[in-house]
Amino acid sequence: RKEVEQDPGPFNVPEGATVAFNCTYSNSASQSFFWYRQDCRKEPKLLMSVYSSGNEDGRFTAQLNRASQYISLLIRDSKLSDSATYLCVVNSDFGNEKLTFGTGTRLTIIP
Amino acid sequence: ETGVTQTPRHLVMGMTNKKSLKCEQHLGHNAMYWYKQSAKKPLELMFVYNFKEQTENNSVPSRFSPECPNSSHLFLHLHTLQPEDSALYLCASRRETVNTEAFFGQGTRLTVV
Repeated sequence: RKEVEQDPGPFNVPEGATVAFNCTYSNSASQSFFWYRQDCRKEPKLLMSVYSSGNEDGRFTAQLNRASQYISLLIRDSKLSDSATYLCVVNSDFGNEKLTFGTGTRLTIIP
Repeated sequence: ETGVTQTPRHLVMGMTNKKSLKCEQHLGHNAMYWYKQSAKKPLELMFVYNFKEQTENNSVPSRFSPECPNSSHLFLHLHTLQPEDSALYLCASRRETVNTEAFFGQGTRLTVV
């Protein structure tokens, strides 16, 4: 089983719609979770950290489900500028600097 | 504006060449990373340095040789590469505490001919 697994997509979603991605991780001892966004031919940039209690930032909501070992990202009222690849990132071991990336989910918002 | 700077942004090299990639951060971070990103593949961790000490070498071939002279600078020395080594090489840095994110440089797009 891959350490971090995502559906690669592509997800083609009309503007204004709500879209959700899931990401599963294999190491139950994982401590930190993040969603990054990567635009074409650019570097990944942090979108949001994922906290145990879930967190929201504007149109974006991230959730963590430790029992089922997955994190999710929900984007409401999607904009054309949301088109990007969304990377799930897991810090597998406490005190370990290793960040493991998923393959990314490609999202295209259609006008 | 990224706090992590990589040079060069693009590099074309022959299989017999020797070149180096440079990464610099002034964010006060103590962990620095090299990642490789090939087309249609996830980011692959290559090396991790924490307080200038290498803490991870992810089974990377010896034709890639990292160097971390101080907490702000990281190099990746390249020699006798293969065409399949062509990829985007990304440097990242991070403060060494749980729940801190990594900041990436813009990457070096490497083509081996």
